[in-house]
Amino acid sequence: EAGVTQFPSHSVIEKGQTVTLRCDPISGHDNLYWYRRVMGKEIKFLLHFVKESKQDESGMPNNRFLAERTGGTYSTLKVQPAELEDSGVYFCASSPLATSTDTQYFGPGTRLTVL
Amino acid sequence: GDSVTQMEGPVTLSEEAFLTINCTYTATGYPSLFWYVQYPGEGLQLLLKATKADDKGSNKGFEATYRKETTSFHLEKGSVQVSDSAVYFCALGFGNEKLTFGTGTRLTIIP
Repeated sequence: EAGVTQFPSHSVIEKGQTVTLRCDPISGHDNLYWYRRVMGKEIKFLLHFVKESKQDESGMPNNRFLAERTGGTYSTLKVQPAELEDSGVYFCASSPLATSTDTQYFGPGTRLTVL
Repeated sequence: GDSVTQMEGPVTLSEEAFLTINCTYTATGYPSLFWYVQYPGEGLQLLLKATKADDKGSNKGFEATYRKETTSFHLEKGSVQVSDSAVYFCALGFGNEKLTFGTGTRLTIIP
């Protein structure tokens, strides 16, 4: 079974540019999460999709971040325009919808550097 | 809100040494507790978990016990190997909701 995949693995952009990160969850996983780790600090939650609906977006830092999950499969996270403080590693995770399941399976992350 | 506090790193040990990485949490209710590990160049992997008080999670020689009375979930291993060098994250969560992570502890094992 393929794991969670993320693309690209690395991205280097200039301040003010736009970047789109993609996450493909494990097949059949309806829960999809985005997290971010900035500068060696804790991994912080950004948002949670259940299928195509945003279940919890309380961690989104501001309106420069837009997450979508059309069709309830893969998800994209767009940062527009990017700022220096957006640099970090963006992780995606997925899990099945079963109510008793609480283990999230993580992708390798996308390292974003904003210059 | 919920929070996780874990031992500040980095931690450097010799091979075959005993390892403890402390983790304490604050939460309303009784969360599930997790240890995730990130090996160099790889993503986060679940190392072990415990879902209720007094449960012990174990994997690859690592253990952690869910202690409700001390709100702790310390990670231990009796004899570490060079291949255990990684960053270790303690986390808590409720059902399918978001995970709350600690800051991570970088562990380096020297031969």
